[in-house]
Amino acid sequence: DAGITQSPRHKVTETGTPVTLRCHQTENHRYMYWYRQDPGHGLRLIHYSYGVKDTDKGEVSDGYSVSRSKTEDFLLTLESATSSQTSVYFCAISDDRLPQGGEQFFGPGTRLTVL
Amino acid sequence: AQTVTQSQPEMSVQEAETVTLSCTYDTSESNYYLFWYKQPPSRQMILVIRQEAYKQQNATENRFSVNFQKAAKSFSLKISDSQLGDTAMYFCAFVTGTASKLTFGTGTRLQVTL
Repeated sequence: DAGITQSPRHKVTETGTPVTLRCHQTENHRYMYWYRQDPGHGLRLIHYSYGVKDTDKGEVSDGYSVSRSKTEDFLLTLESATSSQTSVYFCAISDDRLPQGGEQFFGPGTRLTVL
Repeated sequence: AQTVTQSQPEMSVQEAETVTLSCTYDTSESNYYLFWYKQPPSRQMILVIRQEAYKQQNATENRFSVNFQKAAKSFSLKISDSQLGDTAMYFCAFVTGTASKLTFGTGTRLQVTL
């Protein structure tokens, strides 16, 4: 299994509070991604990173920010959590130097509940 | 816009039987990769099989195989000799390029019964 961890694995928070989710990888992969999974929507991309301090928006980026100060860490921040951000969040990694091009490896997910 | 459609929200199959999950996609790109991911109740996303669009030969991984029809933009997954451990949510996805954003379908929930 690819070395990807997410923390915390579960979190319950209140509306309006800031929340930061962490993704940590030990694979030295270049690309990192944050997805959210909701019933009826599959997984949707929030933000992604193509290098240290290089990030870009995905299709559902409103209300989220990210940072990547080191290759191994990719942080997702909800500045002021809302109930609509209750979801399961997945981190993924990939690297175009791999022979199996395009494949992404996923972390175990974080279940976030915003009350 | 790039889209993936899985038209079967739920399916059921008996153990040892064969089942086919459907997937269609839409893209204007000519070079891309297609995937089927499995998500069991543990929630972990597990790659089942991958297909490069430039390869005409259908990919096979043990009991899992695909029927890739590029012109029709169809990418179905066939599971042979179904096992109870195959019970999971299955997602079809594709990516254009070797390091780009995955576009997922909404998933098919497969139940394997005795």
